[in-house]
Parts: sequence; structure tokens; C-alpha cells
Amino acid sequence: NAGVTQTPKFRVLKTGQSMTLLCAQDMNHEYMYWYRQDPGMGLRLIHYSVGEGTTAKGEVPDGYNVSRLKKQNFLLGLESAAPSQTSVYFCASRIDGENIQYFGAGTRLSVL
Amino acid sequence: RKEVEQDPGPFNVPEGATVAFNCTYSNSASQSFFWYRQDCRKEPKLLMSVYSSGNEDGRFTAQLNRASQYISLLIRDSKLSDSATYLCVVSGSSASKIIFGSGTRLSIRP
Repeated sequence: NAGVTQTPKFRVLKTGQSMTLLCAQDMNHEYMYWYRQDPGMGLRLIHYSVGEGTTAKGEVPDGYNVSRLKKQNFLLGLESAAPSQTSVYFCASRIDGENIQYFGAGTRLSVL
Repeated sequence: RKEVEQDPGPFNVPEGATVAFNCTYSNSASQSFFWYRQDCRKEPKLLMSVYSSGNEDGRFTAQLNRASQYISLLIRDSKLSDSATYLCVVSGSSASKIIFGSGTRLSIRP
């Protein structure tokens, strides 16, 4: 049982480049989340989804877009990467009615 | 003021010691409380939920004080493998209202 899988694990981008981070879960969870984690800042919510076809903004959504075309996948896009987006990105999912989240292993992104 | 606050540490204690962390939260309507553990360069993983009556899981004890709006984690007989960052998590009724503290770093020395 894979749980939550994130790809890629590492990526280096140049300023202005675009990329998509993929999160896939095989637990049939309704809710999915994208966070970024920076030193001393804790986890900050970027976007989240409460079900297939729905997305919503979190605490720090600017510069990111998301899509949830299939229940098991939640994509995070950076249209024009900036150095301020250098961070570790975590995807999480949870089942409706339970607040325990399950995390992917993270994506380390550096924007030069 | 942050919604969830933790002492960042680091707490540096000898193996076998007892160590305790607190976490305060600002929203009195918060409903669920958790402690997660995060190892260096890894993802957060649930350590334990925190219940109103307090709960224990082996060497770990979690307490909730709603009146003072804090939760605590006590680790007894600490092991080298307990070295990690401990994240306090507080959630409300909304899907987006899951707030993570910045974490408390614990280092156990031999």
C-alpha cells in the first residue's frame, strides 16, 4: 500500500520556469492538501481540495495553481517560478470526518 | 500572534530523561488536537491524537487543557530514537482549518 506518493522528489528550476508537482494517493481519501515548509515557519497551506473537481485557496496561494481532475491525484503548478518558492513541498490527504493527515515524502524545490 | 505556538527548542536531554513540551493555541473553537513527529528531511507522521481526558501511548503522554488553551506532550525514559521535531497540530471544523505549529526540536544524547 503506497499511501501518498509525490513526484518528483527533487527539482532545480531557473527563475521563470514552470513545473508541476504530482501527488497521488491510493487510500480513496476525499481531502487533499498542498503545504510548503520553510525553516522556522512550520507547514503553511497553499491550496486544498475537498473532492474531485474542487479546489480552494489556503494561506499562501499566490504563484501556485492546482487541479484535481481525479480523486486520487492533486497537482500543484508553478507557472513562473521565483526564488521565494524555494522550499520543501508536502502533499497530504485525509478521509472525510477524520482530521488525521497522511503525508507524502516531500518534494525539495530550489529556484535559482 | 500565531494561531499555534511552540517553543522551537532545541531541547537537548540525556537518554533516559523525561522531557515535556507545551503548545498553545489561540482559537477556543478548535476541536481536534494532535502531535506529529518529523524526522530530519522526512515527512510529518502522526505520533498521537490528544483527547480531553488525556491519553497515553507507551512512553508518551498527551494532555489537553481547554481552559488555558494548550496541549502538552510528555516523553518518559527517552531514547536516542526519539530525537526529532515534534509538531503540534490543531484543527477546527473547516477542511482548511488544520494549523501546524513550527515544531519543537528534541535531541537525545547518549
